[in-house]
Amino acid sequence: DTAVSQTPKYLVTQMGNDKSIKCEQNLGHDTMYWYKQDSKKFLKIMFSYNNKELIINETVPNRFSPKSPDKAHLNLHINSLELGDSAVYFCASSQDRGGYSSYNEQFFGPGTRLTVL
Amino acid sequence: GESVGLHLPTLSVQEGDNSIINCAYSNSASDYFIWYKQESGKGPQFIIDIRSNMDKRQGQRVTVLLNKTVKHLSLQIAATQPGDSAVYFCAVLKPGKTGAGSYQLTFGKGTKLSVIP
Repeated sequence: DTAVSQTPKYLVTQMGNDKSIKCEQNLGHDTMYWYKQDSKKFLKIMFSYNNKELIINETVPNRFSPKSPDKAHLNLHINSLELGDSAVYFCASSQDRGGYSSYNEQFFGPGTRLTVL
Repeated sequence: GESVGLHLPTLSVQEGDNSIINCAYSNSASDYFIWYKQESGKGPQFIIDIRSNMDKRQGQRVTVLLNKTVKHLSLQIAATQPGDSAVYFCAVLKPGKTGAGSYQLTFGKGTKLSVIP
């Protein structure tokens, strides 16, 4: 069984369009994340939700809006897509929000490769 | 601010030899470190972690060494196999900017390990 799944795996779209990426985890974890990985493999956190509550919101354009309908799902909606949004987007989950005395392993999904033309 | 870097972007190793991947961090208060492995077309996968109260931790064929004096950690892979070919990231845990009690991982740029058969 897939622990963290994302759909779609590939997404090719035109500039200016609006698109969504869906993520689901079946691990019973409380915390979910969205990361962006650029062409140089640099991996940067975008958002994190703990039990449907936003707990991390890095410097990301307002065009990106995460939505967590329940703690097993964290979707990413992107408005007015730009060329620079082309990247691989990874969803991840962890048991809880982590900390120095906690268990901090994050489980990553397979990624969604977004190409904006 | 925190930055996490790697000394070499690529590393080629003969099958059967040991591999050493290095990572430097900038914040001497950093307390918790994780190594991830990312195979081509997949999401990052947890390998091993280490807290700052330790200087060495061993897993199956992997050892992480932490030198807090020089703010350096390394991942050693014994008897490297073709299946070890991947990009390896070190990550450091730090408090999130948004929300009390949130923590996030800052990933380094990654080292691509290629195993020569």
